[in-house]
Amino acid sequence: DAGVTQSPTHLIKTRGQQVTLRCSPKSGHDTVSWYQQALGQGPQFIFQYYEEEERQRGNFPDRFSGHQFPNYSSELNVNALLLGDSALYLCASSWVGERIRFGQGTRLTVV
Amino acid sequence: GDSVTQMEGPVTLSEEAFLTINCTYTATGYPSLFWYVQYPGEGLQLLLKATKADDKGSNKGFEATYRKETTSFHLEKGSVQVSDSAVYFCALNIQGAQKLVFGQGTRLTINP
Repeated sequence: DAGVTQSPTHLIKTRGQQVTLRCSPKSGHDTVSWYQQALGQGPQFIFQYYEEEERQRGNFPDRFSGHQFPNYSSELNVNALLLGDSALYLCASSWVGERIRFGQGTRLTVV
Repeated sequence: GDSVTQMEGPVTLSEEAFLTINCTYTATGYPSLFWYVQYPGEGLQLLLKATKADDKGSNKGFEATYRKETTSFHLEKGSVQVSDSAVYFCALNIQGAQKLVFGQGTRLTINP
């Protein structure tokens, strides 16, 4: 059974560009959350999707948006990229009563 | 708001030494507490957890006890190995929220 899968694994973008990161949750999980982990820091919660709706949101600007599809997979979109958006982006999936599972992450570098 | 504070790193120990990584938290509800480990180039793996006061989580020789009176969840291991070298994160989850709040992480290096 595949766990949480994220794509791509690495990405280089230029300031001002837009990026889309993708996540497939663990089979049976219906909730997807996204975290940003800057170098040397702990992961910070961006937002969470459940039933194709954003259910919770952390302290991130509107440049960060997302989507959840009927098959529970999710996308994270970041517009107008800044150098400070360079980070490891982690997707986590969960289901009530089961532990949260993390993907391997997408390393985004903004130059 | 909810927050987690970990001891500053990096921590460097010799093999077979005793390990303690301190973690304290602030939460408005009744959180579950976790330790996650991150090996180089990898995502986060759950190491252990505790869901209520006085619970002890344990895994792979690591232990942590949920202390409500001191709002702490310190990670301990009696004899560390080189393979324990990684970054360790303390985290909390308000029950039902399925959202984790992490500490800043502690980098642990074990020398042979």
